[in-house]
Amino acid sequence: QKEVEQDPGPLSVPEGAIVSLNCTYSNSAFQYFMWYRQYSRKGPELLMYTYSSGNKEDGRFTAQVDKSSKYISLFIRDSQPSDSATYLCAMSGGNNAGNMLTFGGGTRLMVKP
Amino acid sequence: NAGVTQTPKFRILKIGQSMTLQCAQDMNHNYMYWYRQDPGMGLKLIYYSVGAGITDKGEVPNGYNVSRSTTEDFPLRLELAAPSQTSVYFCASSPTQSMTQHFGDGTRLSIL
Repeated sequence: QKEVEQDPGPLSVPEGAIVSLNCTYSNSAFQYFMWYRQYSRKGPELLMYTYSSGNKEDGRFTAQVDKSSKYISLFIRDSQPSDSATYLCAMSGGNNAGNMLTFGGGTRLMVKP
Repeated sequence: NAGVTQTPKFRILKIGQSMTLQCAQDMNHNYMYWYRQDPGMGLKLIYYSVGAGITDKGEVPNGYNVSRSTTEDFPLRLELAAPSQTSVYFCASSPTQSMTQHFGDGTRLSIL
């Protein structure tokens, strides 16, 4: 079993839809949770960053962390074709040298006009 | 504002050849990382460095070597290229007290 699981998709939605992207994890020591967006042939770029449980909102994006269920989510409201990308979750316990991250395999999202 | 710069962007190698993937950052970050990304497998950490002169192995270090002589540069070397090393390689950097990493745009490497 992988330490971080993420449905690879692809997830295809119409423009304007609400998108839900999810990751599950097995390591209860994880405290820092991130979502990265990766466009084709580009490097990942940080989208959202949360510490411990709870919600965080930034514009059309909302990140949720449920540590009791070991489950994190990223919601995208009013999705746009420009949101078409691969979304990677990443997490860390924060107590390792070098602040190393464990990544999910990524979910490919396609938003159709 | 360059951020993390990786060169080359693409490369084709023959089995047994060697090469160095270059990575440079201009953000004065102490932490630097090398990952490989295979389809559907996410990012696997190869090596990382917490400062000049200090390097350590990640999850998949076999077949690779690194050095960190300056804060800015963190080259990754493949000594004897093998087909299993065909992948996209990403370099990243991070400030010491931050969990967030900044990535370059990758080097796409094919070994035939």
